Amino acid sequence: DIQMTQSPSTLSASVGDSVTITCRASQSINSWVAWYQQKPGKAPKLLIYTATRLESGVPPRFTGSGSGTDFTLTIKNLQPDDFATYYCQQYASFSPLTFGGGTTVDIK
Amino acid sequence: QVQLRESGPGLVKPSETLSLNCTVSGDSFSRYTWSWIRQPPGKGLEWIGFVSDVGKAQYHSSLKGRVTISRDTAKSQFYLTVNSVTAADTAVYYCARDRSTFDYWGQGILVTVSS
Repeated sequence: DIQMTQSPSTLSASVGDSVTITCRASQSINSWVAWYQQKPGKAPKLLIYTATRLESGVPPRFTGSGSGTDFTLTIKNLQPDDFATYYCQQYASFSPLTFGGGTTVDIK
Repeated sequence: QVQLRESGPGLVKPSETLSLNCTVSGDSFSRYTWSWIRQPPGKGLEWIGFVSDVGKAQYHSSLKGRVTISRDTAKSQFYLTVNSVTAADTAVYYCARDRSTFDYWGQGILVTVSS
C-alpha cells in the first residue's frame, strides 16, 4: 500500500494568514494526488486534483503543488469558512486508494 | 446536479452483516465508477472499494473476504455488505462518485456495531 503522511496534524492560524499543509507519499505517485476539505458532520469536498488543478467552484486562494513524493496545499488569505480538516489522497495505485491522516486548521 | 444518498440500518450487532444502499440521481449511473468510503468516529478516511462502470468490483485488501460491492443499474443504486462485523467497523459510511478522485459524496450514514 502507498502510505500518505500529512503534516502537521493540527495547525492554528488567524483569518488572513497563509498556511501550508504537507503530504508525503511512501513512493513516487507522479502527480496523482487530490486534496479534500471536511467540516464537522459533513462529507469531504474535493478541492484539488492532479496535484495542482483546482476543482470547479473552489476559490483560487487554494493552491496545490508538488510531484513525485512531496506535495503541498497552500491556503492564502485564510477565511473563516476555511477552518476545517484537510486530507490528501493518492490515486496512483488502486490497490488500495489511500488518504493521509488529515490536518485540522483551527482558529488561533 | 449529481446527488447520492446512503440508506440502511444505523445499528448492527457484532458478527452480523452490515448492508447499505446508495441511491444516485441526476447523473448517468452506468457511465461511472462508484465507491464506498468510511470514517471511524474522530478518525480519518478509509476507502473500502468500488464497483466500476462495467460492474467489476475492487476492494481494500484489509477488508477483502468480508466486503461485497454490487450495483443495480436499472435502479441507479449500488450496495455495500460487510460480513462478520466488529466494533472496529463502527464508522460513518459514505458513498461517492469515483473518478479516481471523489467529486460527489453522499451525506454519510453512521453505522454503530454494538449488541
